[in-house]
Amino acid sequence: ELKVEQNPLFLSMQEGKNYTIYCNYSTTSDRLYWYRQDPGKSLESLFVLLSNGAVKQEGRLMASLDTKARLSTLHITAAVHDLSATYFCAVRILGTAGNKLTFGGGTRVLVKP
Amino acid sequence: DAGVIQSPRHEVTEMGQEVTLRCKPISGHDYLFWYRQTMMRGLELLIYFNNNVPIDDSGMPEDRFSAKMPNASFSTLKIQPSEPRDSAVYFCASSFRDRVFEQYFGPGTRLTVT
Repeated sequence: ELKVEQNPLFLSMQEGKNYTIYCNYSTTSDRLYWYRQDPGKSLESLFVLLSNGAVKQEGRLMASLDTKARLSTLHITAAVHDLSATYFCAVRILGTAGNKLTFGGGTRVLVKP
Repeated sequence: DAGVIQSPRHEVTEMGQEVTLRCKPISGHDYLFWYRQTMMRGLELLIYFNNNVPIDDSGMPEDRFSAKMPNASFSTLKIQPSEPRDSAVYFCASSFRDRVFEQYFGPGTRLTVT
C-alpha cells in the first residue's frame, strides 16, 4: 500500500523568510503532484513532476523530485501572506493504469506579518 | 471552459435520507474521480471512472455508497441511507489521458447529515 507523508503538518512562517515542505512516499512512483487548497475552497494544481530531478518554479514556489529517495520538496522563498493555504502532495504508483493518486495529509501554512 | 461543475454546493439532510451529488467533468476529459475530504481522514479517493466505466471502487466505504456515470458529461454519487459520519466535503475531479494526467477539481459539495 502506498503511503504518502508530508511534514511538517503545520508551518508558521514569517514574511520574507524561506521554508521547505517535504513529501515522502513509500513506493516507486512516476508522477508527483502538488496542490494548494485555500480554506473552504477546492484544490488548485501547482506543479506536476514527471521525472527524477525534475524542478518546477512558479513565483515564490519551487518544487523538486528525487525518485530514488522517494522525496519531493516544495520550497517557499521569501514568504508572503497570500501563500497562506494548505499544500498537498499526491503520488501515482508506477505501473498502475489510469491516474489513481494517493494524497499526503497536507501541510497547513500560515504566513504572519 | 467552465471547469468541473458540482451540485449542490451545500446539502443538509437528516440521517436515513438519500443524498445524490452531481458532477459535470471538463469537456473532453476521459477520467472522473470522486473524493471525500474530512479532518480525520484527509482526502480519500472513493471511485474513479475511465470512459464512463468504473475502474476502481475500492475506496467506496460501504454498500450505502454508489456512483454512476451514464455518459461522458455527467456523474452521480449517491448515499442511501445517509449517516452523520458521512458528513464531509465531496470533490469531483476530472483529467485527460495525456502524459501529465493532471486532475482538475470541482468546487466540492459540503454535506452535513444531522
